Order: sequence, then structure tokens, then C-alpha cells
Amino acid sequence: AQSVAQPEDQVNVAEGNPLTVKCTYSVSGNPYLFWYVQYPNRGLQFLLKYITGDNLVKGSYGFEAEFNKSQTSFHLKKPSALVSDSALYFCAVSGAGSYQLTFGKGTKLSVIP
Amino acid sequence: DTGVSQNPRHKITKRGQNVTFRCDPISEHNRLYWYRQTLGQGPEFLTYFQNEAQLEKSRLLSDRFSAERPKGSFSTLEIQRTEQGDSAMYLCASSLALGEKLFFGSGTQLSVL
Repeated sequence: AQSVAQPEDQVNVAEGNPLTVKCTYSVSGNPYLFWYVQYPNRGLQFLLKYITGDNLVKGSYGFEAEFNKSQTSFHLKKPSALVSDSALYFCAVSGAGSYQLTFGKGTKLSVIP
Repeated sequence: DTGVSQNPRHKITKRGQNVTFRCDPISEHNRLYWYRQTLGQGPEFLTYFQNEAQLEKSRLLSDRFSAERPKGSFSTLEIQRTEQGDSAMYLCASSLALGEKLFFGSGTQLSVL
């Protein structure tokens, strides 16, 4: 079975400071890893993904994520947070060849002006 | 690219009634997924279609749930004899291929009274 853990229900960060949203996963074989963002009253939007290759993945809106195989982690990062980054962030994993994407419970990011 | 469209946006029904939701994926996407999301949780996988074939169903999908994708275009999700525990946001997503990002619709919010 595959699973995702997002250990923080909420992350608060001051505008302009770096932010990190944590994610660890469990899956058989090589993972496909994703981050999605959900703004209020809007659908889930894709941010970035890791399939293979460079462990540092760059995505939309200046976000990046680092794949760490030994720690089974895929933390989301941004060097300088914006108030507009405030939203709900979901990490997701699937095994290679699997149809099923398993999501974490989500982390609410609040960027304080 | 007009995005993934879901109808209705909201549905209120009485316990025991049947409900049907519709999803129109992005036209060139042959893969379609249904997820369910409750408050404070991440989306949970329900079922997956490749073209018109339903290739995977979650154990979450009881016998009261049925999904179809005739002709490999739009999809419907029907819930028979609704229960209060069925109250949730039902999300549809589509993708071009396995491992590719999912494009989500805005969802159908079901409330069972």
C-alpha cells in the first residue's frame, strides 16, 4: 500500500521569508511524486512533479521540491514567500505504473504580511 | 483547453435518494479519475477510466456507487440510496498519460440530509 504523511496541519511564515512544507511517503518501487495547491473555492492545481532525474524539481510560482530517497521525503520549498501563496498544499504519490494517486491530508500555509 | 468541467456544483438531497454527477474532461485526455474529498482530508481515489474502460475501483466504492464513461468522453458517477456519510466533495480529474499531472475540476459538493 502507498501512503503520504504531511506532519504539519498548518505552517505560518512571514512574507519574504523562506518556506518549507514537509512530506514523506511510502510506496513500492520507484515513486512518482507530486505537489498540488488548493485555493479557497477553486480546484486543485498542479505545482510540480518528480518522476526521475535531478532530485531538485522546479515548478510553478517559484516553488521547488527536493526528492530524498534515503529519507523518503519530498519537501516543498520557496525562497521568499508571498501573501498570495496562502493556500492548502497537498503532497501525493503513486507507484510507477499505478493508476492511483494517494494524497496526504494537506498543509495549510499562511503567509503573514 | 477549457479545463475539466463538473456539474452540478452543488447537490442537496435527502437520505435514500439517488444522485448523478457529470464530468467532462479535457477533450484530448483519455484518462479520467474520480476522487472524493471530505473536510480536513486529502482527496481519496475512487475509480479510473482509460477511454471507456473502467480499469480500477477503490474498495471505498461500495455497491451503491457506479461510474460510467460511455464512448470514452464524459463520465457519470451515480450514488444510489444515499447516506449521510456520502456527504463530500466529489472531484473529477483527467490526464494525458499515466504519471502525467492530473487536471482537476472544481468538484460537486454533495450534502445528504
